[in-house]
Amino acid sequence: GDSVTQMEGPVTLSEEAFLTINCTYTATGYPSLFWYVQYPGEGLQLLLKATKADDKGSNKGFEATYRKETTSFHLEKGSVQVSDSAVYFCALSGGYQKVTFGIGTKLQVIP
Amino acid sequence: ETGVTQTPRHLVMGMTNKKSLKCEQHLGHNAMYWYKQSAKKPLELMFVYSLEERVENNSVPSRFSPECPNSSHLFLHLHTLQPEDSALYLCASSQEGTAIYGYTFGSGTRLTVV
Repeated sequence: GDSVTQMEGPVTLSEEAFLTINCTYTATGYPSLFWYVQYPGEGLQLLLKATKADDKGSNKGFEATYRKETTSFHLEKGSVQVSDSAVYFCALSGGYQKVTFGIGTKLQVIP
Repeated sequence: ETGVTQTPRHLVMGMTNKKSLKCEQHLGHNAMYWYKQSAKKPLELMFVYSLEERVENNSVPSRFSPECPNSSHLFLHLHTLQPEDSALYLCASSQEGTAIYGYTFGSGTRLTVV
């Protein structure tokens, strides 16, 4: 079946540091890929998405590129802020209404 | 009000109580979902409703009973829960067949079973 693998963290960075959170996936066919973010005490919010190979999703300074050859969708940001502290979930949708989530990576940004 | 709204935000209940969680979406979506979020575990899909009919039930214990009276409202009825059912329960919605473009989630109900 479909699966998503990401580091659990926590990942601790200083403000303005470069962020990479790795995500790899296993799926049949051509899934859509997502990053969701969950701020403390809140539900998940869609951060960015890519629906086909080589697409780049971007939002709020975050980027991720759909790499079919390496089955990866790594999240990057050039300069993190304290307000980016949250849990980040990689996910894929392989078919009708079915979304598979990773375990989530907690990011802590310190001033 | 827009988006997906869940009530209550927090709920403490005893193992013999009966309570209900409510979810309402104002997005015109016609598919709704219940997820369970526990610490150190991936999100667990519990139920899927599409066009007000249940299309998926992922081996959820019968002490959880969903109800979808219309495309805008979704309930999760709880009775005789166990302490291990304590978790964050998330509701989400999407337009049917467009989960490939992502879900919209509510803020969740933090449930504690004592």
